[in-house]
Amino acid sequence: AQRVTQPEKLLSVFKGAPVELKCNYSYSGSPELFWYVQYSRQRLQLLLRHISRESIKGFTADLNKGETSFHLKKPFAQEEDSAMYYCALSWNDYKLSFGAGTTVTVRA
Amino acid sequence: DAGVTQSPTHLIKTRGQHVTLRCSPISGHKSVSWYQQVLGQGPQFIFQYYEKEERGRGNFPDRFSARQFPNYSSELNVNALLLGDSALYLCASSLGPGLANGYEQYFGPGTRLTVT
Repeated sequence: AQRVTQPEKLLSVFKGAPVELKCNYSYSGSPELFWYVQYSRQRLQLLLRHISRESIKGFTADLNKGETSFHLKKPFAQEEDSAMYYCALSWNDYKLSFGAGTTVTVRA
Repeated sequence: DAGVTQSPTHLIKTRGQHVTLRCSPISGHKSVSWYQQVLGQGPQFIFQYYEKEERGRGNFPDRFSARQFPNYSSELNVNALLLGDSALYLCASSLGPGLANGYEQYFGPGTRLTVT
């Protein structure tokens, strides 16, 4: 069975500090992983997907199949990064399994 | 385009009743997926429809059903409501059926269902 675990419910960092959101997954097939973000009073939206290998808004995420992890990182957090972040795993091509989410607060 | 729209915004129902939630996808999108998000958890996949056909469903009882209309809008129906059905129901649309082909899912604002 597929499962996504985000061990931190809350994460608080100071502006300009690095931020790392942890995501671990279990899946017997070839994983496709995503990070979604939900800003205050906005809709859930895609931040990045591992297959595109892009840096979006300064965020990067590397798929580590050995550790079954897909941690999200940003070297210098900004106040506008405060949001809820969800890690998600795609299985059977079109189904998404989400983690429970991590609320990030960036303090000035 | 207003993006994915859902109606109603909020809904209060009593145990045992039936509810219908509606979703209009982004213009040109042919795929609609439904998710249930219980407070404190991430969204959980319920259904996906593509070109009016059900592509698959998640681990939900038969009380949950859905359909997609010729204009690609969709309805989610839940019968015999239980207290545990209280949740935010999200709809997402995409151009095509699969995430592996690079299709992105765009989410609506959700319908908040409260069962008393």
